[in-house]
Amino acid sequence: DQQVKQNSPSLSVQEGRISILNCDYTNSMFDYFLWYKKYPAEGPTFLISISSIKDKNEDGRFTVFLNKSAKHLSLHIVPSQPGDSAVYFCAAGQGGSEKLVFGKGMKLTVNP
Amino acid sequence: DGGITQSPKYLFRKEGQNVTLSCEQNLNHDAMYWYRQDPGQGLRLIYYSQIVNDFQKGDIAEGYSVSREKKESFPLTVTSAQKNPTAFYLCASSIRGYNEQFFGPGTRLTVL
Repeated sequence: DQQVKQNSPSLSVQEGRISILNCDYTNSMFDYFLWYKKYPAEGPTFLISISSIKDKNEDGRFTVFLNKSAKHLSLHIVPSQPGDSAVYFCAAGQGGSEKLVFGKGMKLTVNP
Repeated sequence: DGGITQSPKYLFRKEGQNVTLSCEQNLNHDAMYWYRQDPGQGLRLIYYSQIVNDFQKGDIAEGYSVSREKKESFPLTVTSAQKNPTAFYLCASSIRGYNEQFFGPGTRLTVL
């Protein structure tokens, strides 16, 4: 029973274009969402987050959009750079609980 | 220089042997976590601890054991009862009550 789903295992984009990474969730109790970036053989690093009281959060080239009615969030990277090539994990949590539920990840490749 | 350390980076063990993975943090975080990553499986929670001398099972605790005798340390023992121990193991920590988790660099365990 996967509560957080990243249905596309991979995405390939050209440098300078937009990368859109999608994530769906099933548990309506989730009220905090995070994106992590992971390089091979390293630990994930926090990228950006959004709480359910917002529908958008922006940090430089990274923007996360949340659609609560559709239980869907997306991460936009503009412009994409070759250094963005990594596996991206979507994670969800509930307020007051430190536990996170992670998606399976999506491999982004940005071609020069 | 605060952070989470995991040692060793690579670990090899013979089948049937118990092995303990180290995780230390100097971030003064109350909560600590152990995850396992397998190809295409994302991050799956093994155990977590919110305070010293207390811990809870995650989604895949069978064949693993932990202890939390000090706030800074959360070692994970992979026992011979774990059927498929070969994996990448990640330790994380967080401030209690906050969702954002900080990850260590991981330990690659290979059981021969």
